Amino acid sequence: AQTVTQSQPEMSVQEAETVTLSCTYDTSESNYYLFWYKQPPSRQMILVIRQEAYKQQNATENRFSVNFQKAAKSFSLKISDSQLGDTAMYFCAFMNRDDKIIFGKGTRLHILP
Amino acid sequence: EAGVTQFPSHSVIEKGQTVTLRCDPISGHDNLYWYRRVMGKEIKFLLHFVKESKQDESGMPNNRFLAERTGGTYSTLKVQPAELEDSGVYFCASSQPRSNSPLHFGNGTRLTVT
Repeated sequence: AQTVTQSQPEMSVQEAETVTLSCTYDTSESNYYLFWYKQPPSRQMILVIRQEAYKQQNATENRFSVNFQKAAKSFSLKISDSQLGDTAMYFCAFMNRDDKIIFGKGTRLHILP
Repeated sequence: EAGVTQFPSHSVIEKGQTVTLRCDPISGHDNLYWYRRVMGKEIKFLLHFVKESKQDESGMPNNRFLAERTGGTYSTLKVQPAELEDSGVYFCASSQPRSNSPLHFGNGTRLTVT
């Protein structure tokens, strides 16, 4: 069975610092997709960044980047120059070839002023 | 474009009653997913529609849950009869028919069974 594990239930960092959220997954498939979603307090869940497993280059979206280690089945999210608006619940997600998407338990991130 | 909409936003029912949740995906999105999040726990997959067909319903907890997507447009998720452990937030999400398409989520329906 495919699983997604986020080992950090909660984290806090000071504004402007860099923070890394960890995610590992388990699958026997070779081609799949990985995502990070964020859910701000009382707001809708939105996509932060995505990565295709067949691409070696790590995805980057402005202050958000990933460290994708396929052999280790690791997909961490780095947030640079963190902002108060980054405070949210962050979910790592795995999509298999049948478009089934599985989420981790989430990491609650607090950006402190 | 209009986003994914879910109705109702909140529902409080008594154990044994029936509740029907509705999801209207983004127009043109063939993929429609239902997820549930119980307080403090992971977002658990319930099922996945491709158009009107159930692609994967392995996450449906038991036969008290029935999902439909007639005509491949909106979807309903009915819980009958509801139990206390059914409480949680039910999310619907949709995506275009491409494997790297991101999910677009609705705001969720918070179901409380008392």
